[in-house]
Amino acid sequence: EPEVTQTPSHQVTQMGQEVILRCVPISNHLYFYWYRQILGQKVEFLVSFYNNEISEKSEIFDDQFSVERPDGSNFTLKIRSTKLEDSAMYFCASRTGPENTEAFFGQGTRLTVV
Amino acid sequence: AQKVTQAQTEISVVEKEDVTLDCVYETRDTTYYLFWYKQPPSGELVFLIRRNSFDEQNEISGRYSWNFQKSTSSFNFTITASQVVDSAVYFCALILSGGYQKVTFGTGTKLQVIP
Repeated sequence: EPEVTQTPSHQVTQMGQEVILRCVPISNHLYFYWYRQILGQKVEFLVSFYNNEISEKSEIFDDQFSVERPDGSNFTLKIRSTKLEDSAMYFCASRTGPENTEAFFGQGTRLTVV
Repeated sequence: AQKVTQAQTEISVVEKEDVTLDCVYETRDTTYYLFWYKQPPSGELVFLIRRNSFDEQNEISGRYSWNFQKSTSSFNFTITASQVVDSAVYFCALILSGGYQKVTFGTGTKLQVIP
């Protein structure tokens, strides 16, 4: 069964460093998302991406964050100058399109900023 | 804007008891989809069920069942004869129909099944 794959599963980084979280969505999907879950809290929407551009972003997704689909298969989330409060589980998700609204989630990347 | 409320923060049950997790949603749209996800201690999100707004039939899958009632905007989830492996955080979620709509999650209910 096709699945969304995220790498790495766990990343530890020093405060102030840049990190790139990687996702390989399901191949025929057109809509891509990043979500964040701070430990013990709800899953929060960060950004949606369609047709090579951001379609919606939350207030959390400030200038520190950026997304890219560099090669037609990967979908990346870059966090510049990480802060302690960026420590969270980051989930990538993808969907085929409006007719099928199930979102398939990756297994998540646990980011720890020290 | 849409909203999902899971009023139960934590529930503890003894193994083999039945347990119902509540979910109440808000949306002005008439076409939407509701989901339940399970998040075990390992952290991944496991899809359990999807329901569209036009299908109010209840569904049963093994020990799991779901009760969707549009009149009360509720989509409750019942686990029958709970097992220790059911211990997890369960999220109810909503997505509107159409293009790039995002999934809106509830705050989750942590279920602990005690042996």
